[in-house]
Amino acid sequence: DTAVSQTPKYLVTQMGNDKSIKCEQNLGHDTMYWYKQDSKKFLKIMFSYNNKELIINETVPNRFSPKSPDKAHLNLHINSLELGDSAVYFCASSQRQGRPYNSPLHFGNGTRLTVT
Amino acid sequence: EDQVTQSPEALRLQEGESSSLNCSYTVSGLRGLFWYRQDPGKGPEFLFTLYSAGEEKEKERLKATLTKKESFLHITAPKPEDSATYLCAVQAGTSGSRLTFGEGTQLTVNP
Repeated sequence: DTAVSQTPKYLVTQMGNDKSIKCEQNLGHDTMYWYKQDSKKFLKIMFSYNNKELIINETVPNRFSPKSPDKAHLNLHINSLELGDSAVYFCASSQRQGRPYNSPLHFGNGTRLTVT
Repeated sequence: EDQVTQSPEALRLQEGESSSLNCSYTVSGLRGLFWYRQDPGKGPEFLFTLYSAGEEKEKERLKATLTKKESFLHITAPKPEDSATYLCAVQAGTSGSRLTFGEGTQLTVNP
C-alpha cells in the first residue's frame, strides 16, 4: 500500500529516557513533516524537511532532533523525555516541486507517546 | 500570525439531519484552505482544498465552501459513518508549505 507509516504506534517510557520515532513514506513526495497533537486535538507543526534539508524548525525544545537520511524517511529523536512531551506525534508528507505550492499533506496514523 | 478557529467544538446530529461546520481564519495571503477528517486512532485524511473565495467542492454528502473570512463544511443527510473530527487548516503565503490547523469539530451522527 502507498502510505505514510510510523513506528511504533504506542510508546510508553519514563521521564529522562531517550526515544526515537521512525517515519517512512512511499508516495514519492519530496517534503516530510512532524506534527504534534495535544490532548485537545490541536495539531501543531514541529519540523519540515525538503529533500533532506531542514526548512521549517518551529520553537520546540532542542531535546527534539529530526533526522532525514533520505527523502523517504524522517525520524524524530527525543532526549531526556519530560511529562509534557506526552502527545500524539504525526508524520506527514507532501510534494512541493513540480506541484501547486498548496498540495495537501498526507499523514501517518500517529505515535502515541506517554511519559510516566 | 495565522489563526484558525472552528465551531462548534462538538456537534451531535441524528442520521439524516443536515448541518454545517464553520472555520474562520485570519492569514496573510491565503494559498489554500484544507479540510481533513480524523477518525479515532488515525491520522487526518485529506478531504478538500479550496483556493479562492467563492469556490465550492463536493464529495458524497460533504460540500465545502469558501469566503474571504471563513469556510463552511456542509453535511447533507449524514450517516453514522460520517462521525469523526473534522479539521480545517490554512496555508499562507508567508508560511511556506506548513499548515496551521484549527482545533476541529467532533461530529457524532446517531442512527
